[in-house]
Amino acid sequence: DTGVSQDPRHKITKRGQNVTFRCDPISEHNRLYWYRQTLGQGPEFLTYFQNEAQLEKSRLLSDRFSAERPKGSFSTLEIQRTEQGDSAMYLCASSPGNEQFFGPGTRLTVL
Amino acid sequence: QKEVEQDPGPLSVPEGAIVSLNCTYSNSAFQYFMWYRQYSRKGPELLMYTYSSGNKEDGRFTAQVDKSSKYISLFIRDSQPSDSATYLCAMSAYGANNLFFGTGTRLTVIP
Repeated sequence: DTGVSQDPRHKITKRGQNVTFRCDPISEHNRLYWYRQTLGQGPEFLTYFQNEAQLEKSRLLSDRFSAERPKGSFSTLEIQRTEQGDSAMYLCASSPGNEQFFGPGTRLTVL
Repeated sequence: QKEVEQDPGPLSVPEGAIVSLNCTYSNSAFQYFMWYRQYSRKGPELLMYTYSSGNKEDGRFTAQVDKSSKYISLFIRDSQPSDSATYLCAMSAYGANNLFFGTGTRLTVIP
């Protein structure tokens, strides 16, 4: 499968715990994005990488959230001190240009 | 006011019907327009991508963009039960890194 992959697919955690998600983009794509999607809503942009550089962050990305893309390949999104409001689907997308191709998402449930 | 407005539905049609899905937007800087299909608990799948105004056809799908009215449409001909999903419109401005999504329209095609 040469699409975008994400791991884990599901994560259940208790409030206050830290969680980390991984995204592996399509190999030739140098652009990588993270979005968050809540029930009944469209995805909302969180952050953007071009190669290893994080070039844009949404105001939705509070200081509890951090994303990295070492070596310009896979990316990780970490949420510290999770809150119930963090429960959502976290989507990763990659792009060679303007079209963005999404992975299957990581569904986070914070109890 | 949201930048992208989309009727959430739900929309139910009989198999074989022509489906029309629409979005309106307020930002005249948007130049790139996309339609995604999202099955329940899956990531969005890119269906159609268009630049600026005009029509684009791909099999049973036709995308239309009317920038003067800030209105985009997706038509599905000969709809099939497998088309039952949520359809998301998305758009971005030239040089921008993030997509702005509608809330999605939930479509059910009844056999």
